[in-house]
Amino acid sequence: EIVLTQSPDTLSLSPGERATLSCRASQSISSKYLAWYQQKFGQTPKLLIFGASTRSTGIPDRFSGSGSGTDFTLTISRLEPEDFAVYYCQQYGSSPYTFGQGTKLDIK
Amino acid sequence: QVQLVESGGGVVQPGRSLRLSCEASGFTFSAYAMHWVRQAPGKGLEWVAVISDDGSNEYYVDSVKGRFTFSRDNSKNTVYMQMNSLRVEDTAVYYCARALKAAAGLPFHWGQGTLVTVSA
Repeated sequence: EIVLTQSPDTLSLSPGERATLSCRASQSISSKYLAWYQQKFGQTPKLLIFGASTRSTGIPDRFSGSGSGTDFTLTISRLEPEDFAVYYCQQYGSSPYTFGQGTKLDIK
Repeated sequence: QVQLVESGGGVVQPGRSLRLSCEASGFTFSAYAMHWVRQAPGKGLEWVAVISDDGSNEYYVDSVKGRFTFSRDNSKNTVYMQMNSLRVEDTAVYYCARALKAAAGLPFHWGQGTLVTVSA
């Protein structure tokens, strides 16, 4: 099983700042099968990024993903008020398709 | 538009069984793999299982293997999760999700979830 560890657990920033979220895998993820989701309180998760760096339909370009192998990053270039939420990475290269524990992005 | 509607959740005693359903609409159901993902109260997401588009293959997280069975009926646009020998730690909101067409392992479109509470 591939274990995903996200850091930090909580990130406190202000609107307009840049956010950098990390996801580290216990073993290499094949073919960049790494996704990022956003979950706001009381809502279902929304897919932001798949294939490590491809934005899902309708996702603003302030969201970007990068990385390969075992180290991946989600960057939000300039935070908007609606971006404060919990973010999860997920690997879908090999079953079980595990999630990271999440990073909570809150307003400073 | 894509719609996924879960049902079947409720309160059940440890050791008992429950069957969840997820009815899909708005897309060609038989062309997509489907997932169950759960979220315990106040906790993170946990992937549970996937079933292939034709129902011939299923994969599970270790914690539910041998207890949960994922199936689908493409004539009814519905997937099912039969959950046996339920444990307190199975308490969660269970989300049904449709996979991305090009990536069967990726839950893309999610339902609103159904709450399963396992308690004595």
